[in-house]
Amino acid sequence: AQKITQTQPGMFVQEKEAVTLDCTYDTSDQSYGLFWYKQPSSGEMIFLIYQGSYDEQNATEGRYSLNFQKARKSANLVISASQLGDSAMYFCAMRESPFSGTYKYIFGTGTRLKVLA
Amino acid sequence: EAGVVQSPRYKIIEKKQPVAFWCNPISGHNTLYWYRQNLGQGPELLIRYENEEAVDDSQLPKDRFSAERLKGVDSTLKIQPAELGDSAVYLCASSPRGGPTEAFFGQGTRLTVV
Repeated sequence: AQKITQTQPGMFVQEKEAVTLDCTYDTSDQSYGLFWYKQPSSGEMIFLIYQGSYDEQNATEGRYSLNFQKARKSANLVISASQLGDSAMYFCAMRESPFSGTYKYIFGTGTRLKVLA
Repeated sequence: EAGVVQSPRYKIIEKKQPVAFWCNPISGHNTLYWYRQNLGQGPELLIRYENEEAVDDSQLPKDRFSAERLKGVDSTLKIQPAELGDSAVYLCASSPRGGPTEAFFGQGTRLTVV
């Protein structure tokens, strides 16, 4: 069964420094998608970045990059130049193979990031 | 373009009372999800629709929860009767069918059962 594991319940980072949030996954599918979402205290889930299982390059979106290591089944999120507004919960998610015709997303338990001034 | 709209944002009810949540997905999105998020946890899927068909409701507690998506557009999720353990945030999300794309989430409904 598909599973997402986030082993860091909470992380601290100094403003302007980089931080890595860990995510490992388990799936028997060959084709899948990996996502990171940010959830501020206001509650909405904000999409950050996507990595397809067949993508050879690591995904990047502004200050966000995804360190994708397929053999290790890890998809860590790297936030560069942290800002105070980055303080939030971060969720790693996986979407089942689109070739199965299904699009279910499963989520990890999240990592709470606190950026220190 | 309007995002996923959910209402109400907050709801407080007494146990054993019924409650309903409403979701209007992004126009054109065929796939609609209802998730439940307990405090400090990640979202857990309750039910997923492809158009008007519920294609995955394996995690929906069917003795008290029901959902519908008439005409394949907006959706309602109902709990009857509510229990204390149902207190959580109920999130609705939608995504277009096909291709690699993220799910877009609404702001959620925070339910408190007292």
